[in-house]
Amino acid sequence: EPEVTQTPSHQVTQMGQEVILRCVPISNHLYFYWYRQILGQKVEFLVSFYNNEISEKSEIFDDQFSVERPDGSNFTLKIRSTKLEDSAMYFCASSARPGQGRQPQHFGDGTRLSIL
Amino acid sequence: DQQVKQNSPSLSVQEGRISILNCDYTNSMFDYFLWYKKYPAEGPTFLISISSIKDKNEDGRFTVFLNKSAKHLSLHIVPSQPGDSAVYFCAAAANYGQNFVFGPGTRLSVLP
Repeated sequence: EPEVTQTPSHQVTQMGQEVILRCVPISNHLYFYWYRQILGQKVEFLVSFYNNEISEKSEIFDDQFSVERPDGSNFTLKIRSTKLEDSAMYFCASSARPGQGRQPQHFGDGTRLSIL
Repeated sequence: DQQVKQNSPSLSVQEGRISILNCDYTNSMFDYFLWYKKYPAEGPTFLISISSIKDKNEDGRFTVFLNKSAKHLSLHIVPSQPGDSAVYFCAAAANYGQNFVFGPGTRLSVLP
């Protein structure tokens, strides 16, 4: 079964440094998402991306965050100047074009980001 | 802001019996609901969905029931298997949006 893949599985970065998290969505999917889960807390929506632009974003997704689809397969999340509170599990997800109904989002296994 | 609640942090069930996981929501604009299962060190795995035009959806051992007037949905797993032991999340979205709001999860333990 096709799956969303994320790299790296664990990223350790010094506070203030830039970090890029990478995702390869399911190949025929057109919608892409980033979520995060801080340890012990809920999974939280960050951003959705369709047709090469952001379609929705949450309050968490401030100017320090950006997303990009640099080629036909990758989808990236960049954090420009990391803070300690950015430490979390970051999940990428993708979904197909809605057909006769809504489509579920399929998640990768996440990247654990640790900010020192 | 707890728009999606899962009031039972954990649930234990005997193998072969029914597991019932509950989820309540407060936003009446939610129109699409998903259940995910999550194992440690893995991402959420999609199980089953339901839109607000239905009150029941079934897929194999999994059935989701939606009660819009009570703003309540439940996931039934019959029969429960030890491999079902995981954290289960319900998630909801509104107005054809893509911003899913997740509940805090319920840890299901299926005992052999």
